[in-house]
Amino acid sequence: EDQVTQSPEALRLQEGESSSLNCSYTVSGLRGLFWYRQDPGKGPEFLFTLYSAGEEKEKERLKATLTKKESFLHITAPKPEDSATYLCAVRRDDKIIFGKGTRLHILP
Amino acid sequence: IAGITQAPTSQILAAGRRMTLRCTQDMRHNAMYWYRQDLGLGLRLIHYSNTAGTTGKGEVPDGYSVSRANTDDFPLTLASAVPSQTSVYFCASSDSFTSGANTGELFFGEGSRLTVL
Repeated sequence: EDQVTQSPEALRLQEGESSSLNCSYTVSGLRGLFWYRQDPGKGPEFLFTLYSAGEEKEKERLKATLTKKESFLHITAPKPEDSATYLCAVRRDDKIIFGKGTRLHILP
Repeated sequence: IAGITQAPTSQILAAGRRMTLRCTQDMRHNAMYWYRQDLGLGLRLIHYSNTAGTTGKGEVPDGYSVSRANTDDFPLTLASAVPSQTSVYFCASSDSFTSGANTGELFFGEGSRLTVL
């Protein structure tokens, strides 16, 4: 059973074209939803933690939001350096379980 | 600043051979994790440890073993490698959830690329 489902699998945007990435989850009693960024050939880097529906976190051009069933990572006016794979994850017991990620490519 | 150090960076291995991937952290984190990353399957948890002396199974533990003799080191061993274990392996560390200090931030190493022929 998938705990974390991300969509789309891949997304190509023009520089400055805002969009959103989706993460839906099925973990009951959510105790944390996390967003990470991964560059090619590197390990993932932590971006945000969200705990409850309605919560929002922002960092530069990124804003993460959370509802009871899904989270969105909004990217406003992206730049080519925002190109990366974005991973969503949830806490299950003492483990962090990741989705398959969304590959984002920003064209100059 | 070291953080998480993994070794080797890359390795080609014959099927049936034994292999240990090394992972060392200098952040005094209680918890450590091993993930494998495969195209189309994402990051999957192999084994984890909440504190020195304890380990637990993740999503895909079969064919792998770990030990946690001290806080800093968390080696992953493939007792008899098979081609399906070809993957990129990531080690990570964090404050433990049981301590209440974990905010969800895992610190990852640069990965070990393993090819089993």
